[in-house]
Parts: sequence; C-alpha cells; structure tokens
Amino acid sequence: GNSVTQMEGPVTLSEEAFLTINCTYTATGYPSLFWYVQYPGEGLQLLLKATKADDKGSNKGFEATYRKETTSFHLEKGSVQVSDSAVYFCALKSSGDKLTFGTGTRLAVRP
Amino acid sequence: NAGVTQTPKFQVLKTGQSMTLQCAQDMNHEYMSWYRQDPGMGLRLIHYSVGAGITDQGEVPNGYNVSRSTTEDFPLRLLSAAPSQTSVYFCASSYSIGRDGYTFGSGTRLTVV
Repeated sequence: GNSVTQMEGPVTLSEEAFLTINCTYTATGYPSLFWYVQYPGEGLQLLLKATKADDKGSNKGFEATYRKETTSFHLEKGSVQVSDSAVYFCALKSSGDKLTFGTGTRLAVRP
Repeated sequence: NAGVTQTPKFQVLKTGQSMTLQCAQDMNHEYMSWYRQDPGMGLRLIHYSVGAGITDQGEVPNGYNVSRSTTEDFPLRLLSAAPSQTSVYFCASSYSIGRDGYTFGSGTRLTVV
C-alpha cells in the first residue's frame, strides 16, 4: 500500500536558518505529492504540490522537488521566519482520491 | 467565503453519548472525507465519499457512521462515544478527478470523558 515517511520532529531553528524536512514515499503508479502546513489551532492548508517526476512545487519561499529515482519530496526554505512555526505534513495521492499523510513534523523558529 | 465549514469547533461528550459533527462545502466538490488527528499519528482516514449517495470506509471506521445525501454535506456520527474517540476531527473535500489536493475545514476538537 501507499505510505509516507517524514523526519521526526520537533525541528528547532533560529530565524534566517536554512530548513530541510525530509519526506520519502512508497506508492503504486505515479502519485501526486503535496506539502500541507498546519498553524496552531487551525486546519491544514495546502502549501505546495508536484504532479510528476522532476516537477518543483514552490510557494511562500518553500520548495520541494519530486524525485522519482529516490522516491523523495523534501521540503526546503532558504531563510525561515518565526511565522513559519507550524506542523508540516507530506502527503501523496495515488490512484483514486485518497490522500495518504505522513505523521507531520513540527517546526519551531526562534527569534 | 468558499470553503469547508465544520461545526461545532469544540465539544465535550460523556461516554456513551451520541452526536453528529457537521461538514459542509460550497465548492461543488465530489469527494469528501473525514480524518482524525492524534498526537504522533498524523491524520487517519475515517470515512470518505466520492459523490452523493456513495460512502466507503477508511482506515479507522469503527464507531463512526456517515451519509452523503447531498453534494454539499457530509456529517459524521458518533454512535456511542468512547474516550478513545477523543481527537481533533477534520473534514476535507476535493474534485474527484485530477491531481489537486484537498481543502480542509478548521476542525472539531472532541473530548470524551
């Protein structure tokens, strides 16, 4: 079956540091890949997506590249801000409509 | 504003009580689903629907019922609440065809005592 594995958190960084959150997946077929963000007390919001191999999704300074050869979709940001503190979820959507989520990675950014 | 609306935002139930969590979307999405979020376990799919009149079980369906009489609404019913159902519940929707992600509601925090 489909599965998503994320690095365990929490990840604690100082403001302006470089961020990487690792995500690898197992899936049949050719899945679409997503990163969602959850701010405290809120629902999940779509951050970025990629629908085929070598696609790069980007939004709000975050980027992730769909690497089929390594089955990975790592999230990166060059300079994090305190306002980026949140929980980040990697997810995939394969055949059918169901999303499979990773367990989430909490990011805390210190001023 | 268009989106997914969940009610209530907070609820406390006694063991054995029943209740319905409401979910409505106004985006004409065919696909709707319910997830529960527990610490360290990410989001787990409870039930989902690919259109009005069609529902199916997800990963953790026991203790929950759903129905989909209209495209807009997808209520989740707890039949006899148990402390193990203490969680945050999210409703999500999407177009059933295509590679788009889901739109999530803001969640219902349920405590069963």
